[in-house]
Amino acid sequence: SAVISQKPSRDICQRGTSLTIQCQVDSQVTMMFWYRQQPGQSLTLIATANQGSEATYESGFVIDKFPISRPNLTFSTLTVSNLSPEDSSIYLCSVEPVRQETQYFGPGTRLLVL
Amino acid sequence: SQQGEEDPQALSIQEGENATMNCSYKTSINNLQWYRQNSGRGLVHLILIRSNEREKHSGRLRVTLDTSKKSSSLLITASRAADTASYFCATVPIQGAQKLVFGQGTRLTINP
Repeated sequence: SAVISQKPSRDICQRGTSLTIQCQVDSQVTMMFWYRQQPGQSLTLIATANQGSEATYESGFVIDKFPISRPNLTFSTLTVSNLSPEDSSIYLCSVEPVRQETQYFGPGTRLLVL
Repeated sequence: SQQGEEDPQALSIQEGENATMNCSYKTSINNLQWYRQNSGRGLVHLILIRSNEREKHSGRLRVTLDTSKKSSSLLITASRAADTASYFCATVPIQGAQKLVFGQGTRLTINP
C-alpha cells in the first residue's frame, strides 16, 4: 500500500487565478495520476505524471491549463490555471506501486472558484 | 472517457439488508476494481477481479464478473450504517496502460 497526502485540502479561489496542488507519497512510485471529480460526478483522469519527462494528458485536457511537475518519485504537483467556476471540483492524485495492480488515492483537494 | 455505467445511481436500504450494485463497461479489460468514497473524500480500494476470474470474496463483499456481458456486480451482505458511501467500479482496459476508467458510481445509503 501507499500513504498519500495532498495540499491544500480545500481552497476558494478567484476566477483568473491559479492553484497548485501538491501530492506527496510515502514511498517511491513510478506511476502517479491526477483525476478530476466534478460535483456529483465520477472521476476523470487528467494526466499521468511521469518522472523525468512530460506528463501524458488525456483527451480534453491540455498542458497549458493543467501543468504538472514530477521532480522525483515521491512528489508531484498539478496546477489548475486561469481558473473559472467550471473548474470547481475535487482534484485527486493517485499512485500505483510497482508490481501492484491497484491505485491508492490521496484525500483530494476541494476547489471552489468564485 | 468514461466507459462504465453503474446502476442503480442511488440505493437506500435498511441496516442488515444486502446491497447489490451493478457495473457495465464497453471494452475488453485486464481487470475490474471496486472503490468506495465517503462524502467526497479520497477513494478506498475494495477489491480487484481479473478478467479470467468469475467471482471473488472479501469479508462481506462479493464481486462477480461476466466478461461475455461486460458486466460486474458488487454485493455487500449484512449492511451497516458505516457502509454508507459512493461505490465506483473502475476498469483497466487491455489497451489502457494501467489507466483506470471509472463508472458513474452508486450512492448507497444504509438506514439504521
